[in-house]
Amino acid sequence: EAQVTQNPRYLITVTGKKLTVTCSQNMNHEYMSWYRQDPGLGLRQIYYSMNVEVTDKGDVPEGYKVSRKEKRNFPLILESPSPNQTSLYFCASSVHGTEFNNEQFFGPGTRLTVL
Amino acid sequence: AQSVTQLGSHVSVSEGALVLLRCNYSSSVPPYLFWYVQYPNQGLQLLLKYTSAATLVKGINGFEAEFKKSETSFHLTKPSAHMSDAAEYFCAVSDLGMDSSYKLIFGSGTRLLVRP
Repeated sequence: EAQVTQNPRYLITVTGKKLTVTCSQNMNHEYMSWYRQDPGLGLRQIYYSMNVEVTDKGDVPEGYKVSRKEKRNFPLILESPSPNQTSLYFCASSVHGTEFNNEQFFGPGTRLTVL
Repeated sequence: AQSVTQLGSHVSVSEGALVLLRCNYSSSVPPYLFWYVQYPNQGLQLLLKYTSAATLVKGINGFEAEFKKSETSFHLTKPSAHMSDAAEYFCAVSDLGMDSSYKLIFGSGTRLLVRP
């Protein structure tokens, strides 16, 4: 089944404790992206990747890191999480990042709480 | 920069009634518009997309949207609501970045409640 998977689905952590949220897609997509969803703000892009070893900042990159060493994986790293990073996180992928009508496929989401 | 505005954070309808979810866009170039649906505890799923081929776009689950350039709108409708339509709906526009990549700009979302 074609899908985007994320782990963990739920995570409660404390301020300053490094964490990684994994994202993997099995559709051979070039483009991958991370979003955070907050009430009343919709989804905002954190980072994206056009292909392996090509990543760039989105609209809200502060406090996050990403890497794209393999085509299928795009982990999101919080080196020192803070309470304002409490949110619902989505990973998404699409065939290419250069086509305007590409559908993005979303993972099930990771609900992160930072105490 | 492009943007979308969704009027009404919550919309409540009776089962069988018309569903109308509003979306207005701001764009200096022909927009490429999408509607996504998010069911509880799930990721977003594409409902439909407008890419200038036709102004009336039909999507999944009986939803459709009409692109009106004069009104800069892309409202989502369904003639008869079903209980299973209860979800959050996001309008989005495809925005071209400096590196020739397209990203989605999302509206703030509208939660649809369907009353029995």
